[in-house]
Amino acid sequence: EPEVTQTPSHQVTQMGQEVILRCVPISNHLYFYWYRQILGQKVEFLVSFYNNEISEKSEIFDDQFSVERPDGSNFTLKIRSTKLEDSAMYFCASSLQGISNQPQHFGDGTRLSIL
Amino acid sequence: GIQVEQSPPDLILQEGANSTLRCNFSDSVNNLQWFHQNPWGQLINLFYIPSGTKQNGRLSATTVATERYSLLYISSSQTTDSGVYFCAVEHNNAGNMLTFGGGTRLMVKP
Repeated sequence: EPEVTQTPSHQVTQMGQEVILRCVPISNHLYFYWYRQILGQKVEFLVSFYNNEISEKSEIFDDQFSVERPDGSNFTLKIRSTKLEDSAMYFCASSLQGISNQPQHFGDGTRLSIL
Repeated sequence: GIQVEQSPPDLILQEGANSTLRCNFSDSVNNLQWFHQNPWGQLINLFYIPSGTKQNGRLSATTVATERYSLLYISSSQTTDSGVYFCAVEHNNAGNMLTFGGGTRLMVKP
């Protein structure tokens, strides 16, 4: 069964540094998402992306965050200047269609630790 | 935004027991998914179930969309069922984001 793959599985970064989290969505999927889960809390939506532009974003997704689909397979989340509170598990997901009748498929996550 | 409430928040079972996890949501939804988060943090998709009933082995789920709830049944529980179970919904007319509930933390004891 096709999978969403995320790299790296664990990233340790100094506060203030830039970090890029990478995802390869399922190949025929058109909609891509990033979610965040702070340790011990529920999973929160960050952003959705379709046709090379952001379609929805949450209030968490402020100016320090950006997303990009640099080529035909990768989908990235960049955090420009990391803060301690950015420490979390970041999940990438993809779906065939953006609304109704299609589940979102999640990757295994990248655990980001900010020191 | 839509509210998603899961109950119970914590559950301890003896191996072999059955359980029912509940997910209530405050408005109509296009999509509902159940996930199992294992001890390594991975989110395993269990069911895509915006309505009706589905079964997969020892697990089954029922969503009654008109009454705004979904149930996840675990039968003959095993220690490997331990972890956190999340319900997530996609709100009608609110884009394609999933809103997650707070989860049910399940521990199955041998």
